[in-house]
Amino acid sequence: GEDVEQSLFLSVREGDSSVINCTYTDSSSTYLYWYKQEPGAGLQLLTYIFSNMDMKQDQRLTVLLNKKDKHLSLRIADTQTGDSAIYFCAESIGDDKIIFGKGTRLHILP
Amino acid sequence: ETGVTQSPTHLIKTRGQQVTLRCSSQSGHNTVSWYQQALGQGPQFIFQYYREEENGRGNFPPRFSGLQFPNYSSELNVNALELDDSALYLCASSPDGRWYNEQFFGPGTRLTVL
Repeated sequence: GEDVEQSLFLSVREGDSSVINCTYTDSSSTYLYWYKQEPGAGLQLLTYIFSNMDMKQDQRLTVLLNKKDKHLSLRIADTQTGDSAIYFCAESIGDDKIIFGKGTRLHILP
Repeated sequence: ETGVTQSPTHLIKTRGQQVTLRCSSQSGHNTVSWYQQALGQGPQFIFQYYREEENGRGNFPPRFSGLQFPNYSSELNVNALELDDSALYLCASSPDGRWYNEQFFGPGTRLTVL
């Protein structure tokens, strides 16, 4: 079946790195995505990675993909209070379906 | 350049009623996707419209239907409302019939079914 799993909560001290993990089941995924949702707002696409890539870096964000283990991670360097949000992992399967995880709530400790 | 807008912001309906939600896509975008986000859950893909045609559908029953207009705005219609339809409904537009082009999300319509 098609499923995307994430841990529900993560607490990180301000200035440290945050690592949010995700596993997916469908090996035919085309792209994998990370979205951010702040309270009362819609989703914002942070970054995406094509399924034949291992890593993508974009400023403070690093995405790692282990296709063999179907594991995706998002690392946020130098975590700031503005990074406090819910982060969703998602995979697109072909061109006509996208599946989201339940989201990881990132809490920043002072 | 205006972003993705949705109307109404909030809506309360009773079980068995019908509802229409509206979405205006970002200027230049010809693709609109609709999602249902229940409380504490991730968004679930309902369907996508690309150039006025349905371009993919998730696991939602036929009482969830949609339309896309020539100006690429879109409607989501839900018939015979059930309590479990209570959720935040999000629409997103993108400049092509693909998601890896950046999807811009609207703020959502919060539907409560009593």
